[in-house]
Amino acid sequence: GNSVTQMEGPVTLSEEAFLTINCTYTATGYPSLFWYVQYPGEGLQLLLKATKADDKGSNKGFEATYRKETTSFHLEKGSVQVSDSAVYFCALSVPYGNNRLAFGKGNQVVVIP
Amino acid sequence: DTAVSQTPKYLVTQMGNDKSIKCEQNLGHDTMYWYKQDSKKFLKIMFSYNNKELIINETVPNRFSPKSPDKAHLNLHINSLELGDSAVYFCASSRRQGWNGYTFGSGTRITVV
Repeated sequence: GNSVTQMEGPVTLSEEAFLTINCTYTATGYPSLFWYVQYPGEGLQLLLKATKADDKGSNKGFEATYRKETTSFHLEKGSVQVSDSAVYFCALSVPYGNNRLAFGKGNQVVVIP
Repeated sequence: DTAVSQTPKYLVTQMGNDKSIKCEQNLGHDTMYWYKQDSKKFLKIMFSYNNKELIINETVPNRFSPKSPDKAHLNLHINSLELGDSAVYFCASSRRQGWNGYTFGSGTRITVV
């Protein structure tokens, strides 16, 4: 089946540090890949996406590259701010399936001033 | 205008009660979803409707019954609420082929006491 695996545990880092959140996937077919962000008390917002191999999604200083050879879609940001504190979810969707968006377990990111 | 709106935002109710929560989207999407997010932020799909037709029905107790009067609305009725139903319920919508991702509502937090 289709699934997404995110690294375990929360991520705590200082302002201006480099952020990486790992995401790997298993999919039948050729998935689209997404990162969603959930700020405290809010719903999920699409952060970025990539629909084919080697595509790079980017938004608000975040980037992720669709790596078919390693089945990965790691999220990175070069210099985080306190306002980036949120939960980040990796997800995939397989075209021509039943539209199911498979989510990873999410990573809580806490940025300390 | 809010793209996906859910009501109510908060719901506190006693065990055994019956309640409904509602969702409306103004994006012209064909497909709508209900997700449950537990206290560990894990997202689990419950139901999906495409143009008023049920297409995903996960292993959810029969006490949960979705209804889609038209493709812009998806409601969720819950009978005989239990403590374990306490969670945040998110509505989302997408185009028929969901590889552009979903648009989420801001959630309904249900607390069963």
